[in-house]
Amino acid sequence: EPEVTQTPSHQVTQMGQEVILRCVPISNHLYFYWYRQILGQKVEFLVSFYNNEISEKSEIFDDQFSVERPDGSNFTLKIRSTKLEDSAMYFCASSNQGSRSNQPQHFGDGTRLSIL
Amino acid sequence: AQSVTQPDIHITVSEGASLELRCNYSYGATPYLFWYVQSPGQGLQLLLKYFSGDTLVQGIKGFEAEFKRSQSSFNLRKPSVHWSDAAEYFCAVGGDTDKLIFGTGTRLQVFP
Repeated sequence: EPEVTQTPSHQVTQMGQEVILRCVPISNHLYFYWYRQILGQKVEFLVSFYNNEISEKSEIFDDQFSVERPDGSNFTLKIRSTKLEDSAMYFCASSNQGSRSNQPQHFGDGTRLSIL
Repeated sequence: AQSVTQPDIHITVSEGASLELRCNYSYGATPYLFWYVQSPGQGLQLLLKYFSGDTLVQGIKGFEAEFKRSQSSFNLRKPSVHWSDAAEYFCAVGGDTDKLIFGTGTRLQVFP
C-alpha cells in the first residue's frame, strides 16, 4: 500500500539555525499538509497546500515557516531561525482530494525535531 | 468553537476484553469523523472514517465506531482486544476546512 514518507526521522538543530523537513506524499495525491505534535500535546494543523500554493494555514504558521513543492514528488517544510519551542514531532499528510470532500488524510511516520 | 474531547487519557484492559474509547466533538458544520492509531515511534494510521450514511462504520483491525449526532459522539469499539492493540488512539474531526482537529488521545495498555 502506498505511503507517505518523511526524512529525516530525527533532526537535531541548534537554536537559530534553519531546518528543512522533507516529505514524499503518496504519488497520485494532490493535497498536502503539515501538522505538529509537541510532546504531550495534541496534534495541531499547520498548513495545507494545493496547486502550488498555500490553501489554508493556522495561526502557528507564521513568517518563520514556509512550504514548497520543489519538484513533482517532494513537499518540504522550512523553519527559519528555529526556537526551542519548535521542538516537536512534525507530520506530513496527503490526500487525493481536499478535506472538504470525503477523502481522508494519510500521514507519514513523522520527523522528530529537537532544538538545542 | 471547534474541538474534540477524548475524556480518557489512559485506559488499561486485559487481552480478550472488550474496549470502548470515547470521543465527543463540537463542530459547526456537518462533521467528517476519523479515528487514527499511533504505535510507539510510528505515524498516524487511519483506523476508520465516517462521512455520511450508516452511522456504524467498520475499520481495520476489527475496530468499529458509531456516530451519534444527538450526543455529538463517535466512540470507538472493539469486541476483543489483542496485545498488539496497545497504542495511542486519536479521534479527529474535519469537514468544512482543510484541517483536521484532533483530540488529546487515549493511551491504551493491554495486559495479558
